[in-house]
Amino acid sequence: GNSVTQMEGPVTLSEEAFLTINCTYTATGYPSLFWYVQYPGEGLQLLLKATKADDKGSNKGFEATYRKETTSFHLEKGSVQVSDSAVYFCALKRRRGGADGLTFGKGTHLIIQP
Amino acid sequence: DAGVTQSPTHLIKTRGQQVTLRCSPISGHKSVSWYQQVLGQGPQFIFQYYEKEERGRGNFPDRFSARQFPNYSSELNVNALLLGDSALYLCASSLEQESNQPQHFGDGTRLSIL
Repeated sequence: GNSVTQMEGPVTLSEEAFLTINCTYTATGYPSLFWYVQYPGEGLQLLLKATKADDKGSNKGFEATYRKETTSFHLEKGSVQVSDSAVYFCALKRRRGGADGLTFGKGTHLIIQP
Repeated sequence: DAGVTQSPTHLIKTRGQQVTLRCSPISGHKSVSWYQQVLGQGPQFIFQYYEKEERGRGNFPDRFSARQFPNYSSELNVNALLLGDSALYLCASSLEQESNQPQHFGDGTRLSIL
């Protein structure tokens, strides 16, 4: 079946540090890949997406590249801010008729200290 | 434009009761999906509806049911509530049901079972 594995948190960084959150997946075929962010007390917000191999999704300084050979979609940001503190979820959606829901990882709690 | 709206925001029920949660998708979105997010975990897919028909179902018991109305809004019903049903229930909408369409989430309904 489908699965998404994320690095365990919490991840604590200082402001302006470089961020990497690892994400690997298992799925048949070529799924679409997503990163969502969840702030306390809120729902999930789409951060970025990639729909085919070697695509790079980017938004608000965050980037992730769809790597088919390593089945990975790692999230990166060059210089984090305190406002980036949140829980980040990697997710996939299979192409099979589009009738499957998103499969999420367990989430990575990111804490940025001033 | 309004995002995905869910009601109520919080709900307290006791074991054995029944609950109905409501969702209004983004205007123009025809697909609605429901997810259960237990504290500290990623969301789990429950249902997807598209054009008023169930198009996908996750691994949840028959106590969970849903429907979509002609205006594309949706309701999630849970019967015979158990303590383990305590969670944040998220609704997401997308334009179509295809895999590359991003899902946009509401802020959720926090359901507590006593």
